[in-house]
Amino acid sequence: DTAVSQTPKYLVTQMGNDKSIKCEQNLGHDTMYWYKQDSKKFLKIMFSYNNKELIINETVPNRFSPKSPDKAHLNLHINSLELGDSAVYFCASSGQLTFNEQFFGPGTRLTVL
Amino acid sequence: QKEVEQNSGPLSVPEGAIASLNCTYSDRGSQSFFWYRQYSGKSPELIMFIYSNGDKEDGRFTAQLNKASQYVSLLIRDSQPSDSATYLCAVKRDSSYKLIFGSGTRLLVRP
Repeated sequence: DTAVSQTPKYLVTQMGNDKSIKCEQNLGHDTMYWYKQDSKKFLKIMFSYNNKELIINETVPNRFSPKSPDKAHLNLHINSLELGDSAVYFCASSGQLTFNEQFFGPGTRLTVL
Repeated sequence: QKEVEQNSGPLSVPEGAIASLNCTYSDRGSQSFFWYRQYSGKSPELIMFIYSNGDKEDGRFTAQLNKASQYVSLLIRDSQPSDSATYLCAVKRDSSYKLIFGSGTRLLVRP
């Protein structure tokens, strides 16, 4: 009965490869997010979808492309991976806007060699 | 100036003491304030949120908000070694889904 799940948990790949991370939530939330947490533990929003519509698109290289097939799923595809993409990527979801308590998935640790 | 500022720590307190974690923010339009706890290698976990000036208590945790001073704090009473973690402060505007996080304060509770 995991609330927000992500796969894979670990991802090790070579520079230049393309990879995807998947996220699913069973909380019935309308809004989902992707965050990047760097080695200094700073957590930064990348994207957000509300009912499959992109509502937050931060200054992120266009090698990163989110896709939301339905409101329970939000995937992140990364093209041409670079060393600087190594980080932990967290998916999160939230309900109504007013309170917007966000619940995080377990994270995907991406290592680019 | 960072949008949300926290002392990185570590803040070291003995078991049983009160740990006080502080956060300041720059956007006066911020309306909602959140404290997340993150254990090493784990995901952030929401422990408290506050919207109104004053104090909000939940068990051993008390969140304090002063919008005039743009300051929010988290007090942990009777600190336990299991409270040792990084505490992230986050703020948002009512009209936005976007949470702005501070870089976190590492808390160490000594047995």
